[in-house]
Amino acid sequence: EAQVTQNPRYLITVTGKKLTVTCSQNMNHEYMSWYRQDPGLGLRQIYYSMNVEVTDKGDVPEGYKVSRKEKRNFPLILESPSPNQTSLYFCASSVQGLNTEAFFGQGTRLTVV
Amino acid sequence: GENVEQHPSTLSVQEGDSAVIKCTYSDSASNYFPWYKQELGKGPQLIIDIRSNVGEKKDQRIAVTLNKTAKHFSLHITETQPEDSAVYFCAASSGGFKTIFGAGTRLFVKA
Repeated sequence: EAQVTQNPRYLITVTGKKLTVTCSQNMNHEYMSWYRQDPGLGLRQIYYSMNVEVTDKGDVPEGYKVSRKEKRNFPLILESPSPNQTSLYFCASSVQGLNTEAFFGQGTRLTVV
Repeated sequence: GENVEQHPSTLSVQEGDSAVIKCTYSDSASNYFPWYKQELGKGPQLIIDIRSNVGEKKDQRIAVTLNKTAKHFSLHITETQPEDSAVYFCAASSGGFKTIFGAGTRLFVKA
């Protein structure tokens, strides 16, 4: 089954404790992206990757890092989480990124206390 | 910067009625307009999309219209059913690697 898999689904952590949210897709998509979803703000892009070893900032990249060492994986790293990063996070992938359907993961609900 | 405004934020309709969600975009270079449906506890899923060379597209009970001059596009759901209850997002892309999403519309369909 074609899918985007995120882990964990739920995470509660403390301020400053480094964490990684994993994302994996099995559709051989070149393009992957991370979004955060906050009430009243919709989906805002954090980082995206056009292919292996090629990443770029989205609209809200501060406090986040990403890497793309393999085509199927695109982890999101929070080196020093803060309470304002409490949010619902989605990973997405698509064939090209240019005007094509995005396939989203199930989401990761992160709480930073 | 680029912006997509979506209205209304909440919409409640009676089963069988129609629902309309409207979006306005700011980047005149936008040429791809997808609509996503997000059910509770799930990620958004594409339900219909339209490209700038088309004014209207229909798929069963769902239709999307695009007015490039006014920079408006709308989602129309006819004969609504309880399973249509969800959050709907519009989005706009200009062919680059960024897609700008609207803030979302929570649709309630009352049985």
